[in-house]
Amino acid sequence: NAGVTQTPKFRVLKTGQSMTLLCAQDMNHEYMYWYRQDPGMGLRLIHYSVGEGTTAKGEVPDGYNVSRLKKQNFLLGLESAAPSQTSVYFCASMEARYGYTFGSGTRLTVV
Amino acid sequence: AQTVTQSQPEMSVQEAETVTLSCTYDTSESDYYLFWYKQPPSRQMILVIRQEAYKQQNATENRFSVNFQKAAKSFSLKISDSQLGDAAMYFCAYRSADNFNKFYFGSGTKLNVKP
Repeated sequence: NAGVTQTPKFRVLKTGQSMTLLCAQDMNHEYMYWYRQDPGMGLRLIHYSVGEGTTAKGEVPDGYNVSRLKKQNFLLGLESAAPSQTSVYFCASMEARYGYTFGSGTRLTVV
Repeated sequence: AQTVTQSQPEMSVQEAETVTLSCTYDTSESDYYLFWYKQPPSRQMILVIRQEAYKQQNATENRFSVNFQKAAKSFSLKISDSQLGDAAMYFCAYRSADNFNKFYFGSGTKLNVKP
């Protein structure tokens, strides 16, 4: 049982480039989330999804887009990367009564 | 809005000793969940323990236990018989019982375990 899988694990982008982070879960969870983790700031919610075909904005959505075309996948896109988007990105899925199951994170550096 | 505060950026404990990590939160809700997550250097976020606000009994998971004080809005984590593998960042988190997307994290406490 893989749980939550994030790809890629590391990436370096140049300013202005685009990329997509993939999150896949095999637990049949309805809820999926994208967070970013910055030093001293804990985790901040970027976007989330409460089911297939749905997405919604979190606390820090600017500069990101998401899609949930299939229940098991939640994609995070950066259309034009900026240095301020250098961070560690976590995907999580959740069953209603419990906490999150997290992926192992993606370290993104924008130069 | 809900906030979660971890006032100890870093702590140290001797191997086999006991350490307590503090967490306070602010909420106007009566029903919610509280969590402690561990993040070792591998970066993986691992659920350590969970507490439901309507349960008065403190949650326990092996060497990990919590002291949940609802009136004081306090949720501390006690690690007994500390092991080298316990060294990690620990995050306290709050989640609304009604709105699953209201999930707030503290800024973390780095725990060092000395041999």
